[in-house]
Amino acid sequence: DQQVKQNSPSLSVQEGRISILNCDYTNSMFDYFLWYKKYPAEGPTFLISISSIKDKNEDGRFTVFLNKSAKHLSLHIVPSQPGDSAVYFCAASMDTGRRALTFGSGTRLQVQP
Amino acid sequence: GAGVSQSPSNKVTEKGKDVELRCDPISGHTALYWYRQRLGQGLEFLIYFQGNSAPDKSGLPSDRFSAERTGESVSTLTIQRTQQEDSAVYLCASSYTTQTSHEQYFGPGTRLTVT
Repeated sequence: DQQVKQNSPSLSVQEGRISILNCDYTNSMFDYFLWYKKYPAEGPTFLISISSIKDKNEDGRFTVFLNKSAKHLSLHIVPSQPGDSAVYFCAASMDTGRRALTFGSGTRLQVQP
Repeated sequence: GAGVSQSPSNKVTEKGKDVELRCDPISGHTALYWYRQRLGQGLEFLIYFQGNSAPDKSGLPSDRFSAERTGESVSTLTIQRTQQEDSAVYLCASSYTTQTSHEQYFGPGTRLTVT
């Protein structure tokens, strides 16, 4: 049972345009959400996070939106750059216990020059 | 400062052999996690250490898998009698344990191939 789902395995956008990556979750106990970026042969790199008490968090070109009622979050990258081409993972954790991250299966973003 | 390091970066082993994977967390990080990523899939949680104790081993897929950690330092993940389905990238992550921090910092992973 996948508790965190990224239904789009890939996304292609033009340089300078907005990239929107989506993520859905089923476990209402999750209260913290994170996005990681992963290049080939490297470990995931933390990008941005959001607590369930917020609905938006912004850091430079990256903004994460959280819709708790829909159990949906999205990552917006604007403007997109060719260096953003990577696999993006959505992850969720709970505020209690071990805080292990539950990951989605990832979305491969390709930014075309 | 130094990030999380893992060794070896690649390991090819024959089915039935034992392997040991090593993780050096970021200094000062009390929490350490092992994850596994199979081809085309997301990361699966394996085990969590707080200091040198492992309060959650629920992700270990079988009793062939074990892990230990020395103090708040190095951890080793051991897979005995490897099977082909063990082939994956094994990732280690570390973090501070605070009420507000959930971010985990990952190493580059060990790619294990069981032939």
